[in-house]
Amino acid sequence: AQTVTQSQPEMSVQEAETVTLSCTYDTSESDYYLFWYKQPPSRQMILVIRQEAYKQQNATENRFSVNFQKAAKSFSLKISDSQLGDAAMYFCAYRSAWSNQFYFGTGTSLTVIP
Amino acid sequence: DSGVTQTPKHLITATGQRVTLRCSPRSGDLSVYWYQQSLDQGLQFLIQYYNGEERAKGNILERFSAQQFPDLHSELNLSSLELGDSALYFCASSERGTGDSGNTIYFGEGSWLTVV
Repeated sequence: AQTVTQSQPEMSVQEAETVTLSCTYDTSESDYYLFWYKQPPSRQMILVIRQEAYKQQNATENRFSVNFQKAAKSFSLKISDSQLGDAAMYFCAYRSAWSNQFYFGTGTSLTVIP
Repeated sequence: DSGVTQTPKHLITATGQRVTLRCSPRSGDLSVYWYQQSLDQGLQFLIQYYNGEERAKGNILERFSAQQFPDLHSELNLSSLELGDSALYFCASSERGTGDSGNTIYFGEGSWLTVV
């Protein structure tokens, strides 16, 4: 089975600064999808950004962007101009293009310091 | 609003009891997933159904069972409840089948279960 590793259990960032959350994954497949989900204190799981492995261009959504390194099997999330509302648990996830099973990392808790 | 609906939102019950959690997936989604999240823990995958059939099973206890009905809604049954079963139970759906959004998993707001 594929594994997703988030090596940073906790991170902090000053408001308005930039922070990068790391994610690595292990797979032998060439076609897959990667995701970042945000879980604020409300505990709702919110899709932040999605990347298709066949696309070389890194995905961006407003202040959120990814650095997708396919050869290194790395998928980091960059949050620019951090806001207090970005404080949450962030989960990285993997999905094979050939099955509809999803694999989640253990999460990174992000604190935003005013 | 993800389009995934879960009921009840909150539930308090006693040890030894049985509860049923209900999930309606997004319109057109064929896959339903159930996850358990205990306090300050990650997501534990329980089980997945696709168009009425069990597709994958994770760390689901024998006291737990699930099913997906012809109208694609799903129920998670938890029996002989123990204190350790207290958690947030998420339902999620995917496979709308068209475009990139078909490859994404969307979560409901969860059902908070407290066993006392």
